[in-house]
Amino acid sequence: SQKIEQNSEALNIQEGKTATLTCNYTNYSPAYLQWYRQDPGRGPVFLLLIRENEKEKRKERLKVTFDTTLKQSLFHITASQPADSATYLCALSYNQGGKLIFGQGTELSVKP
Amino acid sequence: GAGVSQSPRYKVAKRGQDVALRCDPISGHVSLFWYQQALGQGPEFLTYFQNEAQLDKSGLPSDRFFAERPEGSVSTLKIQRTQQEDSAVYLCASSLRWDKNIQYFGAGTRLSVL
Repeated sequence: SQKIEQNSEALNIQEGKTATLTCNYTNYSPAYLQWYRQDPGRGPVFLLLIRENEKEKRKERLKVTFDTTLKQSLFHITASQPADSATYLCALSYNQGGKLIFGQGTELSVKP
Repeated sequence: GAGVSQSPRYKVAKRGQDVALRCDPISGHVSLFWYQQALGQGPEFLTYFQNEAQLDKSGLPSDRFFAERPEGSVSTLKIQRTQQEDSAVYLCASSLRWDKNIQYFGAGTRLSVL
């Protein structure tokens, strides 16, 4: 079955720096790869989606890359702010509108 | 409100008790998903509805878990004879017909089985 690995250690960075989070998967590549943000006591919130035939997607300070050869996605937050502190989840789906398979999440802490 | 609403937010049950968790999706959202999230882990898929039809229940961990969405709107996840290992946050998500890939999540119900 599909296995997804995200940075297991929490990521601590200084405000203004770029945060880079990693998502690696085994087996066959998904049709869609998504990133969600989750704050304590809340449900995940959608951030970005990238399709298997896309290499990169940007939205404001966020950038996602998708390398199906390496079976890896990288998620970047540029000019990070303390408000970016949260857990970030990588999620795969194999068909449009299908169930999401989540990684375990990476906790990001941005210090002022 | 405009978001996915779940109730109760917290539920404490004694082992062996039955519980029912409710999800009110965003109005007009056709698809509805249930996920289970253990502490420190990502959500794990339980089941999926399109309107009132349960199209995938492959993630339900045992026959003690049952979900329904009789009128294609509100959904209930029922757990019979709860066990300690059922303790988790249960998340509900819904998605639009024309933008199926983005799922909108509720805040979840935290279930503690003593």
